[in-house]
Amino acid sequence: GESVGLHLPTLSVQEGDNSIINCAYSNSASDYFIWYKQESGKGPQFIIDIRSNMDKRQGQRVTVLLNKTVKHLSLQIAATQPGDSAVYFCAEKFRPAGTALIFGKGTTLSVSS
Amino acid sequence: EAGVTQFPSHSVIEKGQTVTLRCDPISGHDNLYWYRRVMGKEIKFLLHFVKESKQDESGMPNNRFLAERTGGTYSTLKVQPAELEDSGVYFCASILLTGRTEAFFGQGTRLTVV
Repeated sequence: GESVGLHLPTLSVQEGDNSIINCAYSNSASDYFIWYKQESGKGPQFIIDIRSNMDKRQGQRVTVLLNKTVKHLSLQIAATQPGDSAVYFCAEKFRPAGTALIFGKGTTLSVSS
Repeated sequence: EAGVTQFPSHSVIEKGQTVTLRCDPISGHDNLYWYRRVMGKEIKFLLHFVKESKQDESGMPNNRFLAERTGGTYSTLKVQPAELEDSGVYFCASILLTGRTEAFFGQGTRLTVV
């Protein structure tokens, strides 16, 4: 299963499915965006980033899409695995350097076998 | 190389007491950030150090919170006196240099004020 469109606080998928996690960011002047994964008892861990001059970037099993027109960011996870279960946060920066991350609301991804 | 470490991992204190959280960034990382996640909501910025100087403390909720980074190495965040609404998970993150974008986070300190 997958979810598109509005941000959802939780997302449940079956192992092997593709997952889409959505995020709406706040500042049209933001020029750098990051997805973090937070597992229980751990701090946020960097997954993938994208700059505002791009609209798509791919990593290993993950793809980030950026739509600046509607200030929307999404994270696609291919062939979701149980180890992908975590809370996912998007974050934005107004400049690439030296400013704090502004986090969005997290999405809890649950992957069942 | 050791990552960002935070102490303690959990703390339960009574309202009105004082608690001090500690963060040891990755060695050599000039930029250190404190964040907080309250009641399952989004992670919110508290403040940013560059070496020992406070670069941005606009996210500090009130004067009950005091952060220090003497010597530009580890940092402490003191809450005095603690209130119930201070409960949450406090994260520390460090970045090597301005311009390097990946922030490395510690595991967080879960603070419960009862």
